[in-house]
Amino acid sequence: GENVEQHPSTLSVQEGDSAVIKCTYSDSASNYFPWYKQELGKRPQLIIDIRSNVGEKKDQRIAVTLNKTAKHFSLHITETQPEDSAVYFCAASIGSGGSNYKLTFGKGTLLTVNP
Amino acid sequence: DAGITQSPRHKVTETGTPVTLRCHQTENHRYMYWYRQDPGHGLRLIHYSYGVKDTDKGEVSDGYSVSRSKTEDFLLTLESATSSQTSVYFCAIHGGSHNEQFFGPGTRLTVL
Repeated sequence: GENVEQHPSTLSVQEGDSAVIKCTYSDSASNYFPWYKQELGKRPQLIIDIRSNVGEKKDQRIAVTLNKTAKHFSLHITETQPEDSAVYFCAASIGSGGSNYKLTFGKGTLLTVNP
Repeated sequence: DAGITQSPRHKVTETGTPVTLRCHQTENHRYMYWYRQDPGHGLRLIHYSYGVKDTDKGEVSDGYSVSRSKTEDFLLTLESATSSQTSVYFCAIHGGSHNEQFFGPGTRLTVL
């Protein structure tokens, strides 16, 4: 089955700096890659996703890039703010219906933005 | 919140007792999932459902069973709870405005 590796496990940055979290996946058939943010004691919430027919997607201060050849994708957060502090999870799936809506998650990155 | 609730939200039980967690959704989504979340392991899929009475195993299904007798409810049962099943359990549905997986609020289960 799919295996998703996520790095780093912890990341500390100064407010205003950029943060990058990287994930690799093993199944070349995977074609959907979401990123979730989870604040302490809360549910994971989708912040951005990308499908394999695009290489990059941006939404204000966050962006995701995908390299299908190398089987890796990354989350980029620019101009970080203290409210960006949370655990971030990447995931991968073959999003074409049936059992293929199953997500395999990375183990998470704890991002701390220091004021 | 995509109309998804979980009950109970917190439960403490003893080893060997059966436990049932309930996930309820109000928007007629076909796909529903149960995950557990543990430090250092992220979110791991226990079981999922792709319709009424249609369920399948995820990567950590041992010791768990599920049932879905109607679209809106997906039940997770721990047949005989063990301390290793102490975890936070999240239910999810596939749907939402981005056609994504949307998570319920979670259930914190402690097995003593």
